[in-house]
Amino acid sequence: DAGVTQSPTHLIKTRGQQVTLRCSPKSGHDTVSWYQQALGQGPQFIFQYYEEEERQRGNFPDRFSGHQFPNYSSELNVNALLLGDSALYLCASSGGWSPLHFGNGTRLTVT
Amino acid sequence: KNEVEQSPQNLTAQEGEFITINCSYSVGISALHWLQQHPGGGIVSLFMLSSGKKKHGRLIATINIQEKHSSLHITASHPRDSAVYICAVGSGGGADGLTFGKGTHLIIQP
Repeated sequence: DAGVTQSPTHLIKTRGQQVTLRCSPKSGHDTVSWYQQALGQGPQFIFQYYEEEERQRGNFPDRFSGHQFPNYSSELNVNALLLGDSALYLCASSGGWSPLHFGNGTRLTVT
Repeated sequence: KNEVEQSPQNLTAQEGEFITINCSYSVGISALHWLQQHPGGGIVSLFMLSSGKKKHGRLIATINIQEKHSSLHITASHPRDSAVYICAVGSGGGADGLTFGKGTHLIIQP
């Protein structure tokens, strides 16, 4: 049983560009949450998707948007990239009260 | 907004020592998570608890809801326990958007 998978693992983009990160949840999980982790910091909650809708959102600008597909996989889109968007982006999936399962993350570098 | 504080930020200990990492939060929660993060980024969920105490192998997690405090203990520590340990809190089950502490960087020396 594959756990949470994220792609790509690493990505380098230029300021102003747009990026799409992908996440496939663990089998049986229907909820996907996205987190941003800057170097040396704890993760920060971006948003959560359930039943193809954004259910909760953290304190992130509208440049950060997402989507969940009928198979529960999810995308995180970031527009107009800034240097400060460089971080590890983590996806976590869960179902109901089950513990979270995290992917290994996508390391985004903005130059 | 919940504030999550962990202590210590950094901890270096010798193999075999008993380790305690603390977590305090400011607002009532329904679940607290202890997570382990190794270099490279992967995060593993160690415990999710809402009351009392849980044990898994050499790891023990406790929570005091009234005092808004939780501790993670590692008995007979081993170099492979070296990692960042993160406390995170949420208000609704495992699927809730969590608020994370900054983590405790633990190094166990042989």
